[in-house]
Amino acid sequence: QVQLVQSGAEVKKPGASVKVSCKASGYTFTSYGISWVRQAPGQGLEWMGWISAYNGNTNYAQKLQGRVTMTTDTSTSTAYMELRSLRSDDTAVYYCARVRYSSGWYGGWGQGTLVTVSS
Amino acid sequence: EIVMTQSPATLSVSPGERATLSCRASQSVSSNLAWYQQKPGQAPRLLIYGASTRATGIPARFSGSGSGTEFTLTISSLQSEDFAVYYCQQYNNWPRSTFGQGTKLEIK
Repeated sequence: QVQLVQSGAEVKKPGASVKVSCKASGYTFTSYGISWVRQAPGQGLEWMGWISAYNGNTNYAQKLQGRVTMTTDTSTSTAYMELRSLRSDDTAVYYCARVRYSSGWYGGWGQGTLVTVSS
Repeated sequence: EIVMTQSPATLSVSPGERATLSCRASQSVSSNLAWYQQKPGQAPRLLIYGASTRATGIPARFSGSGSGTEFTLTISSLQSEDFAVYYCQQYNNWPRSTFGQGTKLEIK
């Protein structure tokens, strides 16, 4: 069955960076893209960006441009999301989600990774 | 950016009754709209895509309708496990996407 397993919770200081991983199994990794979505405590869902697992093309949310980088490692079927210059309002649960090319809905999600930014 | 607005923010309904949730887009998204259910401490779960197609394994009591800028999620007879937060998502300018702010469906 399709599974996306994310790395564990992180605590970071303001100004630091965090890199969250998302390991896929149960399907052909390069046949889908991966989107990243975050959710601040008690808040709604925020789309962060997308990466093609086929060719590495990316598309980021404008508000995160310059601070976020999404990558994939096809040898291990793993996607990564790195966020730099962390601020307190980056505290959130970060999700990866599988998305079929040219579709747009998220049929499979990781379990989420809590990133806490605190001094 | 396309803004998605959900209403109401909170909906109180008794088990067995019908629930109707709304989602409005700031511009047309055609039928490129999905609905998700999220329970506390869990990842969202896909219910509906293409505005009206149920995802695999989703019970028939969940239905979606609408196109353009106005969309509705209807739950025909609420079960205890349906009380959760529901989000709409537009993906008209794939791969970019935006979500609504959510509707909390609570037990009356």
